[in-house]
Amino acid sequence: DQQVKQNSPSLSVQEGRISILNCDYTNSMFDYFLWYKKYPAEGPTFLISISSIKDKNEDGRFTVFLNKSAKHLSLHIVPSQPGDSAVYFCAASGRGTSGSRLTFGEGTQLTVNP
Amino acid sequence: EAGVAQSPRYKIIEKRQSVAFWCNPISGHATLYWYQQILGQGPKLLIQFQNNGVVDDSQLPKDRFSAERLKGVDSTLKIQPAKLEDSAVYLCASSNTQGAWTGELFFGEGSRLTVL
Repeated sequence: DQQVKQNSPSLSVQEGRISILNCDYTNSMFDYFLWYKKYPAEGPTFLISISSIKDKNEDGRFTVFLNKSAKHLSLHIVPSQPGDSAVYFCAASGRGTSGSRLTFGEGTQLTVNP
Repeated sequence: EAGVAQSPRYKIIEKRQSVAFWCNPISGHATLYWYQQILGQGPKLLIQFQNNGVVDDSQLPKDRFSAERLKGVDSTLKIQPAKLEDSAVYLCASSNTQGAWTGELFFGEGSRLTVL
């Protein structure tokens, strides 16, 4: 049962353009959403998060949008830079018995071409 | 500040053998997690510790996997006996649960296991 799904395994964009990474979830108990970034041979690193009480959170070039009715979130990177090339994981958590367990999507490989 | 340390980085074993991974979390982080990441998939939580107590091990295959965090600091994850499908990267992470939970986990570089 894949509760967090990233349907695009890969995305390629030109430097300076916008990168949009998408994520869908099925569990309505999720109330906190995060994006992690992973370079090869390294562990994932936290990028940005959003609580279900918001629909947008911005941090520099990175913005996360949450559409609760559609159970969909997206990460926008503007402008994209070659150093942004990495695998991006969407993750979600819900309060309650699962505590702070994060459920991850499969990841999207972003390639930013110079 | 030192990050999460894991060892070994790479391990190759034959099926039915045993293997152990070690993790040293960031100093002061009470919560420690072990995740399994199979190639092409996202990380999946195996076990979560709060200090030296288990918070969540619902996804740990307990017939072959075990983990401990005896003194509330370092942790070891053991697989015995290993199966081919255990080939994965085992990620250790820690978090600071003081105050409001932010969801930010600090991951180590991982231990890549290949089972032949």
